Parts: sequence; structure tokens; C-alpha cells
Amino acid sequence: SQTIHQWPATLVQPVGSPLSLECTVEGTSNPNLYWYRQAAGRGLQLLFYSVGIGQISSEVPQNLSASRPQDRQFILSSKKLLLSDSGFYLCAWSRGTGSYGYTFGSGTRLTVV
Amino acid sequence: GQNIDQPTEMTATEGAIVQINCTYQTSGFNGLFWYQQHAGEAPTFLSYNVLDGLEEKGRFSSFLSRSKGYSYLLLKELQMKDSASYLCAVRSTDSNYQLIWGAGTKLIIKP
Repeated sequence: SQTIHQWPATLVQPVGSPLSLECTVEGTSNPNLYWYRQAAGRGLQLLFYSVGIGQISSEVPQNLSASRPQDRQFILSSKKLLLSDSGFYLCAWSRGTGSYGYTFGSGTRLTVV
Repeated sequence: GQNIDQPTEMTATEGAIVQINCTYQTSGFNGLFWYQQHAGEAPTFLSYNVLDGLEEKGRFSSFLSRSKGYSYLLLKELQMKDSASYLCAVRSTDSNYQLIWGAGTKLIIKP
């Protein structure tokens, strides 16, 4: 069966510090991978998605970046965090079409102080 | 443009039935999904509709009318654990098959 791992679960970082969140998927190959952010009480905002190694599409201009160094690994990074980067970050994977929706990782609660 | 609307919040009583509506305006419709999200947790898949009609899965059912751009999620025999946000999402071929998400409906269950 397929599983998705996301870490860390919680993170408190000072303004201006770097960020690296990692997500890995097991039990499938060539998944579509996604990074979302969810502000408190708000909907899901798509940040990045990837359909293959080294292929990254950005949905929202910001000081975040994403990379996919391996087929089942997706990394969200920042060189300098802003207060506005605080939120709940979710990684997800899908097969793309059919009845398969998205399966989400457990999320990372990021607080920038 | 592409848009999904659902009520912000609903309240229901334990043991009752509640219907959460979702209307959408998207191009290239390729399926509608419902997810449940408990506070502080990740969304989890509930249902998928691609053809018109009702899909039943235990206490939960989901309905789709493509001509009306309308779906609803029906929850029966409500339990306190059903208190959560319910997210409606539409997959669009015009958006590279990505899911377009509604803002979610927060469902509060009272004893």
C-alpha cells in the first residue's frame, strides 16, 4: 500500500531563518506531488506541484521554493522566513486522473516568530 | 474563472441528518471529491463523483448534478466525531487535472 511521510510535525523558526520541509511517498512510482499551505480557518492554497523529477510548477509567487531530487521525494524550502509564512503545510500525492484524489501527509505546523 | 462555493459553517444535532451543499463553476470537469478535515489534521478522502447521481458509503452519501454544477454531501445519524470541516474539490482538465478546492464548511455537532 502507498504511504506518505511528512516531517517535522511542528516547527518554530525565527524570522529570517531558512526552512526545509521534506515529504516522501512509498509504494508507488511517478506520483504527482503537491505542497499546500492552510492558514488558520482558511482553505487550501496550492504552492507547488510536480509531475516528475526536476519538474516544478509554482502557483503563487513568494519566497518559498520546491525541489524534487528523487521520484518520491518533495522538498519545500525558504532562504529567509517571513512572519507571513506561518501556517499549516501539507504535502500530498496523487496518480493524476480517475477516482484517485489526493492523499495528504500529516502536515507541518510552522510558526515564524 | 474557476470557483467553488460552500457554506462557511453549519450546526446540527447528534443523531440528525445534515446536507452540505457545494456549487462550482469550472471548465473541463473531471470529477468532484469530498474530504473531511478535523481541526489540526490533514484532510482525508470521503467520496468521489464523476457521473450524475448518488453515491452511498455507509452514513455518508454524495450527490452530483453536472448540468447544475452542484453537489451535496449527506451525513446521517450524526455523531460527535463528525464535527470537522468538509472540503469540496473539483478536478479540472483545464487546470492540468489539478484539484480546485472550496474553502470548506465547518460542521458543528451539538448533543
